[in-house]
Amino acid sequence: RKEVEQDPGPFNVPEGATVAFNCTYSNSASQSFFWYRQDCRKEPKLLMSVYSSGNEDGRFTAQLNRASQYISLLIRDSKLSDSATYLCVVNLAGGYQKVTFGIGTKLQVIP
Amino acid sequence: DTEVTQTPKHLVMGMTNKKSLKCEQHMGHRAMYWYKQKAKKPPELMFVYSYEKLSINESVPSRFSPECPNSSLLNLHLHALQPEDSALYLCASSPDGDTQYFGPGTRLTVL
Repeated sequence: RKEVEQDPGPFNVPEGATVAFNCTYSNSASQSFFWYRQDCRKEPKLLMSVYSSGNEDGRFTAQLNRASQYISLLIRDSKLSDSATYLCVVNLAGGYQKVTFGIGTKLQVIP
Repeated sequence: DTEVTQTPKHLVMGMTNKKSLKCEQHMGHRAMYWYKQKAKKPPELMFVYSYEKLSINESVPSRFSPECPNSSLLNLHLHALQPEDSALYLCASSPDGDTQYFGPGTRLTVL
């Protein structure tokens, strides 16, 4: 089993739709969780950290489910500009160690 | 300001050349990273520096040589590369070993 797994997609959704991605992780001791967004031929940019209590930033909501070992990202009212690859990132050990990237989920919002 | 800068933006080099990639951040972050990213793949960790000391080397071939001259600067020295080393090289920094901020990358082509 991979340490961090994501559905690579692509997810093709119409503008205005709500879309959700999940990401599962294998190590129950994982400490920190993040969603990054990466546009084609650009660097990953931090979208949001994910907390046990869940967190929301505008149209974006992230949740952590420790019991089932997954994190989720919900995007409401999708915009064309949301088209990108969404990378799930997990710090398996904590501290100044490597983080592990999922393969990324590609989202294409269509007019 | 969460800016990490990288130079050059693009680099084309022959297999016998020696070149260096440069990364700079002035956010006081104590961890800095080099990643390699191939098309349609997630970033792949190469090296981690923590408090200016090399803390992780992910079994990277010796033709890649990292250097951290001070807390703001990270270099990657390249020598005798192979065409399969062509990729986007990303630098990142982190204040806490968790949240990472990426530079725009250097797109490297090895002929």
